[in-house]
Amino acid sequence: AQSVTQPDIHITVSEGASLELRCNYSYGATPYLFWYVQSPGQGLQLLLKYFSGDTLVQGIKGFEAEFKRSQSSFNLRKPSVHWSDAAEYFCAVGANSGYSTLTFGKGTMLLVSP
Amino acid sequence: NAGVTQTPKFRVLKTGQSMTLLCAQDMNHEYMYWYRQDPGMGLRLIHYSVGEGTTAKGEVPDGYNVSRLKKQNFLLGLESAAPSQTSVYFCASSPQGLGGNQPQHFGDGTRLSIL
Repeated sequence: AQSVTQPDIHITVSEGASLELRCNYSYGATPYLFWYVQSPGQGLQLLLKYFSGDTLVQGIKGFEAEFKRSQSSFNLRKPSVHWSDAAEYFCAVGANSGYSTLTFGKGTMLLVSP
Repeated sequence: NAGVTQTPKFRVLKTGQSMTLLCAQDMNHEYMYWYRQDPGMGLRLIHYSVGEGTTAKGEVPDGYNVSRLKKQNFLLGLESAAPSQTSVYFCASSPQGLGGNQPQHFGDGTRLSIL
């Protein structure tokens, strides 16, 4: 079975600084990988996804993530954080088969300081 | 285009009461899912459906039942609510499973408190 680890529960970044959120997964083959963002009181919005091909994936709102098979990681990055990026971020992994389901990490809360 | 709609948005129950949460999607998606979100736990899958008339258990199915009588609706039932079921419940849908290269679309959640 697949699993996801997000090592950081909270991260505080200054506005304008760069951001990297860590995600490590466990799965026997190449997985499907996702990053979702959740603003307070809202549902989850997809930021980006990786299924195959180019290991650097571009998403919405200026986010990108890089799939590194050797490290079993799919870290989320943004070069310059805006105050509106403050939210909770979830990494998720799924098996690459038709009936697979998603397994979510426990989330990383991003705080943005002025 | 409403997407995924959950009703109700908030509910308070007493222990032992029953209730049904409704999820409706207008995107003609085949797959639908129910998750619960608890602090520090992320989202955990309760039940899911791969098409009208089908249901399957997820990671934490105990104490819940589901039905998918119509393609657009996925109902989550609590027969005898317990305080441990206090949570935020999210419904999601997708056109196909993950093998179809499609992400899940989420509703805004139902906040359920059981006293």
